[in-house]
Amino acid sequence: DAGITQSPRYKITETGRQVTLMCHQTWSHSYMFWYRQDLGHGLRLIYYSAAADITDKGEVPDGYVVSRSKTENFPLTLESATRSQTSVYFCASSTSGQMGYTFGSGTRLTVV
Amino acid sequence: RKEVEQDPGPFNVPEGATVAFNCTYSNSASQSFFWYRQDCRKEPKLLMSVYSSGNEDGRFTAQLNRASQYISLLIRDSKLSDSATYLCVVTPGGTSYGKLTFGQGTILTVHP
Repeated sequence: DAGITQSPRYKITETGRQVTLMCHQTWSHSYMFWYRQDLGHGLRLIYYSAAADITDKGEVPDGYVVSRSKTENFPLTLESATRSQTSVYFCASSTSGQMGYTFGSGTRLTVV
Repeated sequence: RKEVEQDPGPFNVPEGATVAFNCTYSNSASQSFFWYRQDCRKEPKLLMSVYSSGNEDGRFTAQLNRASQYISLLIRDSKLSDSATYLCVVTPGGTSYGKLTFGQGTILTVHP
């Protein structure tokens, strides 16, 4: 189906483990973004990408790694998960950086 | 000072009421402005863009005042289905190529 999909929807992992959250979009949008949403902080930008092989840090990049070898995929990796990374993670894409985004359904990550 | 500030509410209004949300932004070079809606435990969805001339979409009216760095959203004839969190969103200017900065959101509850 066309759209933007995130997987998994729910994930529980242990402290110190590496975990990768997947994001896939079928529109060939140039721009893709990763946000985390926490109570009291709203949505905060982790990383973003303007095109394949172009990525840049957002507001809260520490502890995260991204890659974008193909336009349609933008995985987010937590190299060594910490409890403070327990959050809801949203991926988004856009045709233009100046247009509104379309978000995926989110991944609810719990680090124990 | 936060880049985007909203009154978190909550706003509790009866069906049929008119309710207004306000938002201020700190970066005078901001270029694009949006209102997003987020239902509980769901992804944010674009409600409407905001233009200097003001724009209306059915019961929703958005206004932008660049001089005061102020955005508003007016909802007329509130419905139960309007209950959600409303997010004020701004794109910074300059080289930020379209990163959206989100306010923390205003919670609206419409009751019978």
